[in-house]
Amino acid sequence: EADIYQTPRYLVIGTGKKITLECSQTMGHDKMYWYQQDPGMELHLIHYSYGVNSTEKGDLSSESTVSRIRTEHFPLTLESARPSHTSQYLCASSDSAKANIQYFGAGTRLSVL
Amino acid sequence: AQSVTQPDIHITVSEGASLELRCNYSYGATPYLFWYVQSPGQGLQLLLKYFSGDTLVQGIKGFEAEFKRSQSSFNLRKPSVHWSDAAEYFCAVGAYTGNQFYFGTGTSLTVIP
Repeated sequence: EADIYQTPRYLVIGTGKKITLECSQTMGHDKMYWYQQDPGMELHLIHYSYGVNSTEKGDLSSESTVSRIRTEHFPLTLESARPSHTSQYLCASSDSAKANIQYFGAGTRLSVL
Repeated sequence: AQSVTQPDIHITVSEGASLELRCNYSYGATPYLFWYVQSPGQGLQLLLKYFSGDTLVQGIKGFEAEFKRSQSSFNLRKPSVHWSDAAEYFCAVGAYTGNQFYFGTGTSLTVIP
């Protein structure tokens, strides 16, 4: 099992605020991912990273941005939160030398009022 | 197109009864298949995975799954369900070296006494 941590677990914030969702992993995995999860829907990949200074957008368009300046850290930022951003955000990591099995954090549930 | 279908949105079983959750996939390359479980307010935990070899794979918590290439299926089974198995179950398909996992919309399991 990978140790992957997300903070905060819950966040309620007003429209227009800038927020950063934190994700850290202690397993030295080279790849990291952000998914958006809404009730009754499949998980949608919004960002991923192959390694330090490497980030790509996923299939689902998102107004968020990510950075990867350290292997273990993959924060997601929303410059101006809107009610449409209300969702659960899941971070995952994988080791490309071990079949890319993805291990997930506990998630951040974001509510934008 | 790559996709995963979980035809049962919600299943209710009695404690001690057997369980089968269905998963069908469409994938253009050799599929690597996964089942994850998500308890309320938590992230996804890996139950089991199939890469190659024996088409019946064993996982944690007494779960098993069978890969049937001819039916493009990867159904999850458990002989005797426990109340603690109540959760959301997600099937996913990916590539060994890829970045993208495709998830189904999940099956919610309720266990009644």
